[in-house]
Amino acid sequence: EPEVTQTPSHQVTQMGQEVILRCVPISNHLYFYWYRQILGQKVEFLVSFYNNEISEKSEIFDDQFSVERPDGSNFTLKIRSTKLEDSAMYFCASTRTGGINEKLFFGSGTQLSVL
Amino acid sequence: DQQVKQNSPSLSVQEGRISILNCDYTNSMFDYFLWYKKYPAEGPTFLISISSIKDKNEDGRFTVFLNKSAKHLSLHIVPSQPGDSAVYFCAARNTGNQFYFGTGTSLTVIP
Repeated sequence: EPEVTQTPSHQVTQMGQEVILRCVPISNHLYFYWYRQILGQKVEFLVSFYNNEISEKSEIFDDQFSVERPDGSNFTLKIRSTKLEDSAMYFCASTRTGGINEKLFFGSGTQLSVL
Repeated sequence: DQQVKQNSPSLSVQEGRISILNCDYTNSMFDYFLWYKKYPAEGPTFLISISSIKDKNEDGRFTVFLNKSAKHLSLHIVPSQPGDSAVYFCAARNTGNQFYFGTGTSLTVIP
């Protein structure tokens, strides 16, 4: 079965550093998402991306965050200057279309630890 | 603003018995509901879904029930197996194709 792949699986960084989390969505999918889960909390929506632009973003997705689809396969999340509270598991997800009954396919996540 | 709620953080069930996981939502515009299963250090995996035009969907041991008037859905697993032990997330989609997740219920099936 096709899958969403994320790299790296773990990322440790110093506070204030920039990080880029990478994702390769399923090849024929058109909608892309980033979610995160802080330990013990719910899975939170960050941003959705369609047709090479952000379609919706949450309050968490402030100016420190950006997303990009630099080529036909990768979808990246950049955090410009990391904070301690950015430590979380970050999940990339995709759906084929925005149609009814489309389900999200998730990657296995990147565990980001900000020290 | 938590639009999807799972009020039980954990549930323990004996093997072979029924597991019932509950979820409540507040947004009447949600049109599609899903359950995801998550093991530690893995991403959520899709389990079962239901459209807002239905009240029940069954797939093997898993059944999802939707009560739109109560804005409530539940996942029934019968019979429960030890391999079902995981965190289960309820999710709902709005008409803008955004998905909202609950906080999860950790299910432990005791052999």
